[in-house]
Amino acid sequence: QKEVEQNSGPLSVPEGAIASLNCTYSDRGSQSFFWYRQYSGKSPELIMSIYSNGDKEDGRFTAQLNKASQYVSLLIRDSQPSDSATYLCAVNPPGYGQNFVFGPGTRLSVLP
Amino acid sequence: DGGITQSPKYLFRKEGQNVTLSCEQNLNHDAMYWYRQDPGQGLRLIYYSQIVNDFQKGDIAEGYSVSREKKESFPLTVTSAQKNPTAFYLCASSSQRAKPYEQYFGPGTRLTVT
Repeated sequence: QKEVEQNSGPLSVPEGAIASLNCTYSDRGSQSFFWYRQYSGKSPELIMSIYSNGDKEDGRFTAQLNKASQYVSLLIRDSQPSDSATYLCAVNPPGYGQNFVFGPGTRLSVLP
Repeated sequence: DGGITQSPKYLFRKEGQNVTLSCEQNLNHDAMYWYRQDPGQGLRLIYYSQIVNDFQKGDIAEGYSVSREKKESFPLTVTSAQKNPTAFYLCASSSQRAKPYEQYFGPGTRLTVT
Protein backbone atom coordinates (compact mmCIF):
# COMPACT_ATOMS: atom_id res chain seq x y z
CA GLN A 1 0.00 0.00 0.00
CA LYS A 2 1.49 3.30 -1.09
CA GLU A 3 1.40 5.87 1.69
CA VAL A 4 1.88 9.60 1.80
CA GLU A 5 1.96 11.17 5.24
CA GLN A 6 1.57 14.73 6.35
CA ASN A 7 1.14 16.36 9.74
CA SER A 8 -2.53 17.35 9.82
CA GLY A 9 -1.83 20.51 11.80
CA PRO A 10 -3.01 23.10 12.21
CA LEU A 11 0.34 24.74 11.69
CA SER A 12 0.20 28.32 12.88
CA VAL A 13 2.78 30.91 11.85
CA PRO A 14 2.83 34.69 12.24
CA GLU A 15 2.50 36.89 9.19
CA GLY A 16 5.85 37.41 7.49
CA ALA A 17 7.40 34.20 8.84
CA ILE A 18 8.47 31.12 6.88
CA ALA A 19 5.98 28.26 6.89
CA SER A 20 7.47 24.79 6.48
CA LEU A 21 5.24 21.94 5.39
CA ASN A 22 6.53 18.38 5.26
CA CYS A 23 5.50 15.22 3.48
CA THR A 24 6.95 11.71 3.61
CA TYR A 25 6.22 8.86 1.25
CA SER A 26 6.63 5.12 1.47
CA ASP A 27 7.67 4.12 -2.06
CA ARG A 28 11.34 4.80 -2.62
CA GLY A 29 10.91 4.56 -6.39
CA SER A 30 8.54 7.52 -6.61
CA GLN A 31 9.63 10.06 -9.20
CA SER A 32 7.22 12.99 -9.27
CA PHE A 33 5.89 15.08 -6.42
CA PHE A 34 3.29 17.79 -6.24
CA TRP A 35 2.02 20.41 -3.83
CA TYR A 36 -1.56 21.65 -3.97
CA ARG A 37 -3.25 24.42 -2.01
CA GLN A 38 -6.90 23.98 -1.08
CA TYR A 39 -8.94 26.78 0.43
CA SER A 40 -11.89 25.78 2.57
CA GLY A 41 -14.78 24.67 0.40
CA LYS A 42 -12.77 24.97 -2.82
CA SER A 43 -10.93 22.56 -5.10
CA PRO A 44 -7.16 21.94 -4.96
CA GLU A 45 -4.94 24.29 -6.91
CA LEU A 46 -1.50 23.14 -8.13
CA ILE A 47 1.33 25.18 -6.61
CA MET A 48 4.42 23.28 -7.68
CA SER A 49 5.71 20.03 -9.07
CA ILE A 50 9.21 18.67 -8.49
CA TYR A 51 11.00 15.54 -9.64
CA SER A 52 14.70 16.20 -9.15
CA ASN A 53 16.52 16.17 -5.83
CA GLY A 54 17.16 19.60 -4.44
CA ASP A 55 15.22 22.84 -4.38
CA LYS A 56 12.80 24.37 -6.82
CA GLU A 57 11.72 27.96 -6.30
CA ASP A 58 8.69 29.81 -7.63
CA GLY A 59 8.08 33.21 -6.12
CA ARG A 60 7.56 32.85 -2.38
CA PHE A 61 7.33 29.06 -2.65
CA THR A 62 10.23 26.59 -2.53
CA ALA A 63 9.81 22.86 -2.88
CA GLN A 64 12.58 20.67 -1.51
CA LEU A 65 13.00 17.04 -2.48
CA ASN A 66 15.20 14.44 -0.79
CA LYS A 67 14.62 11.06 -2.40
CA ALA A 68 17.13 9.26 -0.18
CA SER A 69 15.18 10.29 2.91
CA GLN A 70 11.83 10.01 1.12
CA TYR A 71 10.54 13.41 1.98
CA VAL A 72 9.40 16.48 0.14
CA SER A 73 8.76 19.82 1.77
CA LEU A 74 7.21 23.14 0.85
CA LEU A 75 8.52 26.41 2.24
CA ILE A 76 6.42 29.53 2.06
CA ARG A 77 8.43 32.70 2.64
CA ASP A 78 6.89 35.94 3.90
CA SER A 79 3.67 34.11 4.80
CA GLN A 80 0.46 36.07 4.32
CA PRO A 81 -2.99 35.52 5.86
CA SER A 82 -4.13 34.65 2.32
CA ASP A 83 -1.82 31.61 2.48
CA SER A 84 -4.08 30.12 5.17
CA ALA A 85 -5.35 26.90 3.57
CA THR A 86 -4.83 23.16 3.54
CA TYR A 87 -1.76 22.01 1.62
CA LEU A 88 -1.93 18.62 -0.05
CA CYS A 89 1.12 16.59 -1.00
CA ALA A 90 0.74 14.18 -3.92
CA VAL A 91 3.15 11.52 -5.13
CA ASN A 92 3.29 9.58 -8.39
CA PRO A 93 4.59 6.13 -7.36
CA PRO A 94 6.17 3.72 -9.86
CA GLY A 95 3.67 1.40 -11.48
CA TYR A 96 0.86 3.90 -10.98
CA GLY A 97 1.01 5.33 -14.49
CA GLN A 98 -0.19 8.92 -14.20
CA ASN A 99 -2.09 8.36 -10.97
CA PHE A 100 -1.27 10.08 -7.73
CA VAL A 101 -1.46 9.13 -4.09
CA PHE A 102 -2.50 12.10 -1.96
CA GLY A 103 -1.61 12.81 1.63
CA PRO A 104 -4.33 13.94 4.06
CA GLY A 105 -3.12 17.54 3.95
CA THR A 106 -1.70 20.02 6.45
CA ARG A 107 -3.85 22.94 7.54
CA LEU A 108 -1.85 26.17 7.67
CA SER A 109 -3.01 29.23 9.57
CA VAL A 110 -1.11 32.51 9.08
CA LEU A 111 -1.87 34.88 11.91
CA PRO A 112 -1.97 38.64 11.20
CA ASP B 1 -10.33 30.45 -21.70
CA GLY B 2 -9.20 26.89 -20.97
CA GLY B 3 -10.24 24.96 -17.94
CA ILE B 4 -12.30 22.26 -16.31
CA THR B 5 -15.94 22.75 -15.48
CA GLN B 6 -18.10 20.67 -13.18
CA SER B 7 -21.81 20.90 -12.72
CA PRO B 8 -23.80 21.31 -10.68
CA LYS B 9 -21.92 22.98 -7.85
CA TYR B 10 -24.33 21.60 -5.23
CA LEU B 11 -26.56 18.56 -5.61
CA PHE B 12 -29.15 17.18 -3.22
CA ARG B 13 -30.68 13.75 -3.69
CA LYS B 14 -32.77 11.24 -1.79
CA GLU B 15 -31.39 7.82 -0.94
CA GLY B 16 -31.99 5.24 -3.62
CA GLN B 17 -31.66 7.66 -6.53
CA ASN B 18 -28.87 7.58 -9.07
CA VAL B 19 -27.23 10.90 -9.83
CA THR B 20 -24.84 11.97 -12.60
CA LEU B 21 -22.11 14.56 -12.11
CA SER B 22 -20.79 16.40 -15.13
CA CYS B 23 -17.13 17.10 -15.92
CA GLU B 24 -15.95 18.87 -19.08
CA GLN B 25 -12.48 20.09 -20.04
CA ASN B 26 -11.19 22.13 -22.97
CA LEU B 27 -7.50 21.74 -22.18
CA ASN B 28 -7.08 19.00 -24.80
CA HIS B 29 -5.95 16.67 -22.01
CA ASP B 30 -6.03 12.96 -22.66
CA ALA B 31 -6.40 11.77 -19.08
CA MET B 32 -9.29 12.50 -16.74
CA TYR B 33 -9.94 11.49 -13.15
CA TRP B 34 -12.65 11.44 -10.51
CA TYR B 35 -11.82 11.82 -6.84
CA ARG B 36 -13.85 11.88 -3.71
CA GLN B 37 -12.98 14.00 -0.67
CA ASP B 38 -14.53 13.55 2.76
CA PRO B 39 -14.14 16.12 5.55
CA GLY B 40 -10.61 16.18 6.94
CA GLN B 41 -9.39 13.54 4.52
CA GLY B 42 -7.25 13.42 1.44
CA LEU B 43 -8.43 12.67 -2.05
CA ARG B 44 -9.37 9.13 -3.01
CA LEU B 45 -9.41 8.00 -6.64
CA ILE B 46 -12.73 6.65 -7.93
CA TYR B 47 -12.14 6.16 -11.68
CA TYR B 48 -9.69 7.35 -14.29
CA SER B 49 -9.51 7.38 -18.05
CA GLN B 50 -6.42 7.82 -20.20
CA ILE B 51 -8.11 7.67 -23.62
CA VAL B 52 -11.57 7.87 -25.09
CA ASN B 53 -13.72 4.76 -24.65
CA ASP B 54 -11.43 3.35 -21.98
CA PHE B 55 -11.44 3.77 -18.20
CA GLN B 56 -10.17 1.95 -15.11
CA LYS B 57 -11.31 1.59 -11.54
CA GLY B 58 -9.51 3.48 -8.84
CA ASP B 59 -9.31 2.66 -5.16
CA ILE B 60 -13.00 3.18 -4.34
CA ALA B 61 -14.98 2.41 -7.52
CA GLU B 62 -17.77 0.39 -5.91
CA GLY B 63 -21.13 2.11 -6.32
CA TYR B 64 -19.90 4.42 -9.09
CA SER B 65 -19.86 4.26 -12.88
CA VAL B 66 -18.32 6.41 -15.61
CA SER B 67 -18.21 6.79 -19.38
CA ARG B 68 -15.71 8.44 -21.72
CA GLU B 69 -17.38 8.86 -25.09
CA LYS B 70 -15.65 12.14 -25.86
CA LYS B 71 -12.17 13.41 -25.00
CA GLU B 72 -13.67 16.49 -23.36
CA SER B 73 -16.21 14.76 -21.13
CA PHE B 74 -16.03 12.28 -18.25
CA PRO B 75 -19.35 12.06 -16.37
CA LEU B 76 -19.63 10.19 -13.08
CA THR B 77 -22.78 8.40 -11.95
CA VAL B 78 -23.26 7.81 -8.26
CA THR B 79 -25.56 4.82 -8.00
CA SER B 80 -27.85 3.75 -5.18
CA ALA B 81 -25.31 0.99 -4.41
CA GLN B 82 -22.86 3.57 -3.02
CA LYS B 83 -23.27 3.30 0.74
CA ASN B 84 -22.06 6.75 1.79
CA PRO B 85 -22.38 9.03 -1.24
CA THR B 86 -22.38 12.37 0.58
CA ALA B 87 -19.00 13.94 -0.24
CA PHE B 88 -17.15 16.54 -2.28
CA TYR B 89 -16.49 15.18 -5.79
CA LEU B 90 -13.54 16.47 -7.78
CA CYS B 91 -12.75 15.97 -11.44
CA ALA B 92 -9.21 16.45 -12.73
CA SER B 93 -7.36 16.16 -16.01
CA SER B 94 -3.75 15.87 -17.15
CA SER B 95 -1.74 15.87 -20.33
CA GLN B 96 0.12 12.73 -21.30
CA ARG B 97 2.67 14.54 -23.44
CA ALA B 98 5.41 14.90 -20.85
CA LYS B 99 6.13 14.22 -17.23
CA PRO B 100 5.45 15.11 -14.53
CA TYR B 101 1.78 14.70 -15.61
CA GLU B 102 0.43 17.53 -13.53
CA GLN B 103 -3.24 17.16 -12.66
CA TYR B 104 -5.57 20.16 -12.71
CA PHE B 105 -8.86 20.19 -10.87
CA GLY B 106 -12.32 21.48 -11.62
CA PRO B 107 -14.28 23.44 -8.99
CA GLY B 108 -16.00 20.34 -7.60
CA THR B 109 -19.54 19.17 -6.92
CA ARG B 110 -20.79 18.87 -3.37
CA LEU B 111 -23.29 16.01 -3.18
CA THR B 112 -25.63 15.56 -0.25
CA VAL B 113 -27.80 12.45 -0.04
CA THR B 114 -30.48 12.22 2.63
